[in-house]
Amino acid sequence: NAGVTQTPKFQVLKTGQSMTLQCAQDMNHEYMSWYRQDPGMGLRLIHYSVGAGITDQGEVPNGYNVSRSTTEDFPLRLLSAAPSQTSVYFCASSYSWRITDTQYFGPGTRLTVL
Amino acid sequence: AQSVAQPEDQVNVAEGNPLTVKCTYSVSGNPYLFWYVQYPNRGLQFLLKYITGDNLVKGSYGFEAEFNKSQTSFHLKKPSALVSDSALYFCAVRDGTNFGNEKLTFGTGTRLTIIP
Repeated sequence: NAGVTQTPKFQVLKTGQSMTLQCAQDMNHEYMSWYRQDPGMGLRLIHYSVGAGITDQGEVPNGYNVSRSTTEDFPLRLLSAAPSQTSVYFCASSYSWRITDTQYFGPGTRLTVL
Repeated sequence: AQSVAQPEDQVNVAEGNPLTVKCTYSVSGNPYLFWYVQYPNRGLQFLLKYITGDNLVKGSYGFEAEFNKSQTSFHLKKPSALVSDSALYFCAVRDGTNFGNEKLTFGTGTRLTIIP
């Protein structure tokens, strides 16, 4: 098992550009989520999905879109990048949406918006 | 609403000494509590969790955590610190009462440094 994989590892964008952060898992997990990590703020939930075709907003969804067309993939789209979106982004998955399930995290994508 | 606090940004411990990383939480129902560790330039790794049962939970790498309902705390402990334990530690909570709640709330993290 590769676990949770994320691409790219690093990305630099100019303000106004769009891009997609990729996330995939090979564990047949139903639940997937995206977090951003900023210094002194811990991890904040952006969007999550409890299964293919179902997504919902987390704490900080503005400026981001997601879709979940397959169980394996959960891409995060930045529609028009802003400097405030400079952060480290983590994708996570768990077997189900049950709140006792452990989440497994990918290695992260470090995004800089100039 | 659910929240978690890690009151110490930085904790320094001499190698071989016991370590404690503090976490307090707030939920309206039953707390489900987690500890994760992040090594430099890596993603978060699961250490341990409390769902129900024994208040002392044992996890990976010799870590354990004690759930204290009256103090709403879930402190992470290890009897003898190793230099390799140096990392960023996150406490997280989910409210067990709301079965529609799919969200995990993280603390701001505590940087643990073990001094040789």
